Amino acid sequence: ETGVTQSPTHLIKTRGQQVTLRCSSQSGHNTVSWYQQALGQGPQFIFQYYREEENGRGNFPPRFSGLQFPNYSSELNVNALELDDSALYLCASSQDTGGVKTQYFGPGTRLLVL
Amino acid sequence: AQSVTQLDSQVPVFEEAPVELRCNYSSSVSVYLFWYVQYPNQGLQLLLKYLSGSTLVESINGFEAEFNKSQTSFHLRKPSVHISDTAEYFCAVSVLSGGYQKVTFGTGTKLQVIP
Repeated sequence: ETGVTQSPTHLIKTRGQQVTLRCSSQSGHNTVSWYQQALGQGPQFIFQYYREEENGRGNFPPRFSGLQFPNYSSELNVNALELDDSALYLCASSQDTGGVKTQYFGPGTRLLVL
Repeated sequence: AQSVTQLDSQVPVFEEAPVELRCNYSSSVSVYLFWYVQYPNQGLQLLLKYLSGSTLVESINGFEAEFNKSQTSFHLRKPSVHISDTAEYFCAVSVLSGGYQKVTFGTGTKLQVIP
């Protein structure tokens, strides 16, 4: 059983650029959630995907968007990057069988916006 | 809306001493509670969770936490810490809302074990 993987591990972009981060969910998991963890803070929920549709979103602007693919892998896209977007981006997968789910996290992608 | 408070941003403790990391939450609906650990430059690892049943839950590496509904707390304890326990610990509250699971994390507590 493979765990959650994310790519790339590190990324440097400049303000105004666009970025795509990728996540492969744990085997058997059909739900993917994305979190932003700024330095010294706890993770903050961006959005969640289930069966290729966004079914929950936190307080993030529309320039944060995502996709989920038929194999349940996912992408996080951020347009018009701002300096405050510099953070560790975490992907978590879970199996939706109804009720509460335990999320398993990947190692994260560290994004630096200059 | 739910919230999580981890009052201690840093907790230094000597090796083999006991430790308690505090977590309080607020929510108007039933909650599910988690503790995650994050080692430097890594993602989050699930340490333990309370979903239902016994209010005392344990991890495989000696940590335990007790769900106290009246005090809205889920404090994490270990009777004897090891150097390898040095990490940042996050408490998280989960509720089912509008068809999806909404998870809110605390700001974390850095546990520093002193040899």
